[in-house]
Amino acid sequence: DAKTTQPPSMDCAEGRAANLPCNHSTISGNEYVYWYRQIHSQGPQYIIHGLKNNETNEMASLIITEDRKSSTLILPHATLRDTAVYYCIPWVSGSARQLTFGSGTQLTVLP
Amino acid sequence: AAGVIQSPRHLIKEKRETATLKCYPIPRHDTVYWYQQGPGQDPQFLISFYEKMQSDKGSIPDRFSAQQFSDYHSELNMSSLELGDSALYFCASSFSRGGRSTDTQYFGPGTRLTVL
Repeated sequence: DAKTTQPPSMDCAEGRAANLPCNHSTISGNEYVYWYRQIHSQGPQYIIHGLKNNETNEMASLIITEDRKSSTLILPHATLRDTAVYYCIPWVSGSARQLTFGSGTQLTVLP
Repeated sequence: AAGVIQSPRHLIKEKRETATLKCYPIPRHDTVYWYQQGPGQDPQFLISFYEKMQSDKGSIPDRFSAQQFSDYHSELNMSSLELGDSALYFCASSFSRGGRSTDTQYFGPGTRLTVL
C-alpha cells in the first residue's frame, strides 16, 4: 500500500478556502486517491476520490498532480462544521480491501 | 438516502463478558467491513465479508469473530472482553461485483464499547 504524508494540523478562517495537501509519492498506477473526514468520534465520511483527473462534487474539489505523487483537497468555503480530521487514502478500486487510515490532518476552521 | 445502521450505539460491559455488535449495510450493498478506533487513534481494519464469506482480515483478536448473514447484515462477536477493547467500532459497507469492490465504503455512526 502506498504511504501518505499529510500535515498534522491546519487552520482556516471561516468562509475561506481550505487547501489540504497529501503526498503519496509511492502510489501505484491502479490506486485511486480517496479522501475521508472524521468529525470528532463520528463515523468517517466519504468526501471524494479520483484517479488522474481533477474531480469536483458538492462537498469539495480534488486536484491530483500530473505525476500523481500528490493531491490537494479543496473545501471552497469552509464552515465551522468542516472542522475534522481529513484522511487521504490511496485505494485500489475493485479490491474489496481495507482502507488504511494514516494520521490525517486536523483541520480547524476558525470563526 | 439510507445509511449504514449500527446497534447498539453505546455498550457498557464488564471484563470477561461478551458483546455482540450489529451492522446493517446500505440497501443493495453486499460487502461489510469492521474497523476499530481506540482512544486517540486512527481507525484500524478488523475484518470484512462479501456474500457471507470472509473477504479480508486485519488485526482482529482471536477472541473476536464475525459473520455476515443472508440479508447481508453482519455481527461482530467479542468474548472475554478486556479493558483494551474499549473503543469505537465502525462498520462500513460497499457494493461489490464479483467479489471485487467497485464502490466507495460508507461508514456507520459507530458503536462505543466501554469495558469496565
